[in-house]
Amino acid sequence: GESVGLHLPTLSVQEGDNSIINCAYSNSASDYFIWYKQESGKGPQFIIDIRSNMDKRQGQRVTVLLNKTVKHLSLQIAATQPGDSAVYFCAENPSGKLIFGQGTELSVKP
Amino acid sequence: NAGVTQTPKFQVLKTGQSMTLQCAQDMNHEYMSWYRQDPGMGLRLIHYSVGAGITDQGEVPNGYNVSRSTTEDFPLRLLSAAPSQTSVYFCASSYNREGYTFGSGTRLTVV
Repeated sequence: GESVGLHLPTLSVQEGDNSIINCAYSNSASDYFIWYKQESGKGPQFIIDIRSNMDKRQGQRVTVLLNKTVKHLSLQIAATQPGDSAVYFCAENPSGKLIFGQGTELSVKP
Repeated sequence: NAGVTQTPKFQVLKTGQSMTLQCAQDMNHEYMSWYRQDPGMGLRLIHYSVGAGITDQGEVPNGYNVSRSTTEDFPLRLLSAAPSQTSVYFCASSYNREGYTFGSGTRLTVV
């Protein structure tokens, strides 16, 4: 069946360090993946996406890596800031349906 | 552009009552979806639509109905509310099934 899961439910990092959030997916047919950030009391906010024909995509301070061989995604946040504290979800998008993983809570210590 | 607008923001229902959660978008998006999010959990897909007149079930459709008579609106109906439906509900829309934009959510409590 379709499912997306995360390895770590919580991650605590020091301000200024780099953060890495991991995600495993199970649907080999998925060709598009998205990372979302959700702050407390708000809806998910789009961060970055990647198509299955790419291995890496960079944005502003964020990088997404895709390893199709082991069906693994990661989100790297450079120079993590207090404003990055939130829950991060990966999602896959087969056939127009957005399927979310459980989420990882990122806590940034000053 | 208002984006994705959900109403109401908060609602308390008694078991057995019915209600409709409203969702409207002004971005001419074809794809729209409803999710529920329980405490400490991810978002689970309830129903989705790929265009006006077309809807389909997601992961957890039981107890919910939807219709899509216009491109702009995608209401979610609870016919007979149950305590298990206490959750935060999010509506989302997308132009091309990618990069969904989410509303701010409706917090529903069923007592």
